[in-house]
Amino acid sequence: DAGVIQSPRHEVTEMGQEVTLRCKPISGHNSLFWYRQTMMRGLELLIYFNNNVPIDDSGMPEDRFSAKMPNASFSTLKIQPSEPRDSAVYFCASTTGASYEQYFGPGTRLTVT
Amino acid sequence: TQLLEQSPQFLSIQEGENLTVYCNSSSVFSSLQWYRQEPGEGPVLLVTVVTGGEVKKLKRLTFQFGDARKDSSLHITAAQPGDTGLYLCAGPPGTGGGNKLTFGTGTQLKVEL
Repeated sequence: DAGVIQSPRHEVTEMGQEVTLRCKPISGHNSLFWYRQTMMRGLELLIYFNNNVPIDDSGMPEDRFSAKMPNASFSTLKIQPSEPRDSAVYFCASTTGASYEQYFGPGTRLTVT
Repeated sequence: TQLLEQSPQFLSIQEGENLTVYCNSSSVFSSLQWYRQEPGEGPVLLVTVVTGGEVKKLKRLTFQFGDARKDSSLHITAAQPGDTGLYLCAGPPGTGGGNKLTFGTGTQLKVEL
């Protein structure tokens, strides 16, 4: 079975540009999580969805960040406009609603210059 | 906010040595998980411990959940270079948190030949 799929794997962009990260969760999983990982702050939860509905977005750093989940098999995380401090690895993870065991994608390494 | 502090933060050892990584909190967790993250990849679940005092073994890895369910440890016997990676503990942050997880601060392990 395919795991969580993320694209792109690497993204380099200039400050002020819009960035869109994509995630396809494992089929049958109804919870999806977006994380950001940096050396300084570790792994931080940005937002999570249950059954395509955003449940907790308290970790979204500011209004420049937005996330959508239009259907059970696709989610996006958008940063507009991007800033150098957004440089990090962004992970998507999914799980079934009854479980805490999360399955992570390979991540998107974002560099904003 | 339920925090998970891990120690040590960094650990560099020689092949064949034993080591223990700790995960501590002032709060009670209903369960704790351990993940390992290799460079360029997302975290992968190793084990979940649920009962206070529980011990689980995974080949050379031994996981223990504290009796009071506030802490956990990971012991590796005869470490190998393949054990190199970032070890993360994680747990559900109490009632009302849905199925999201709080992740620990991480322990970066390097095993050298």
